[in-house]
Amino acid sequence: GAVVSQHPSRVICKSGTSVKIECRSLDFQATTMFWYRQFPKQSLMLMATSNEGSKATYEQGVEKDKFLINHASLTLSTLTVTSAHPEDSSFYICSARQGPSGNTIYFGEGSWLTVV
Amino acid sequence: AQKVTQAQTEISVVEKEDVTLDCVYETRDTTYYLFWYKQPPSGELVFLIRRNSFDEQNEISGRYSWNFQKSTSSFNFTITASQVVDSAVYFCALSEAGRGGKLIFGQGTTLQVKP
Repeated sequence: GAVVSQHPSRVICKSGTSVKIECRSLDFQATTMFWYRQFPKQSLMLMATSNEGSKATYEQGVEKDKFLINHASLTLSTLTVTSAHPEDSSFYICSARQGPSGNTIYFGEGSWLTVV
Repeated sequence: AQKVTQAQTEISVVEKEDVTLDCVYETRDTTYYLFWYKQPPSGELVFLIRRNSFDEQNEISGRYSWNFQKSTSSFNFTITASQVVDSAVYFCALSEAGRGGKLIFGQGTTLQVKP
């Protein structure tokens, strides 16, 4: 079946540095991918919608200059957390939409980010 | 406005008990999709079921069953004869047809099944 792969699964970075997380659809093309963030013991909150070949659409309250999203190909979207701070430590998970409708969604494995 | 409410924050049962996780949703769309996911401590989301708004048939898959009632905007999930391996956080989610795949998640219910 369809698979979405996320990398890295765990990353530790120093405050002030940037870290990139990749979301890759392995056996289908995804014109649209989504990035979610989950703080400990909380729910998943949509951060942004990543559109292939165009700018990402950010949810209210999400800093687009801090969370850079690039969807340069039909199988890859990247999320870069710039100038990371400890409060950015979280679980980040992506999903990819297969096809034009919104009912076939596949999630990546997620990435644990710890900023020290 | 779209919203998903899982009123049960934590549930603890003893193995072999049946347990029902509640999910209530709000949407103005007539076409939408409802999901249940299981999230073990490792973090990945394990897909359990997707149901579209036009299909109110209840579904059973092994020890899992789902009760979808549009009249009460509920999509409840029952685990029969629970097992320790069922311990996880369970999320109910809503996707409206016009939102292209964006999911709105409930707050999640932590299920602990004790041996």
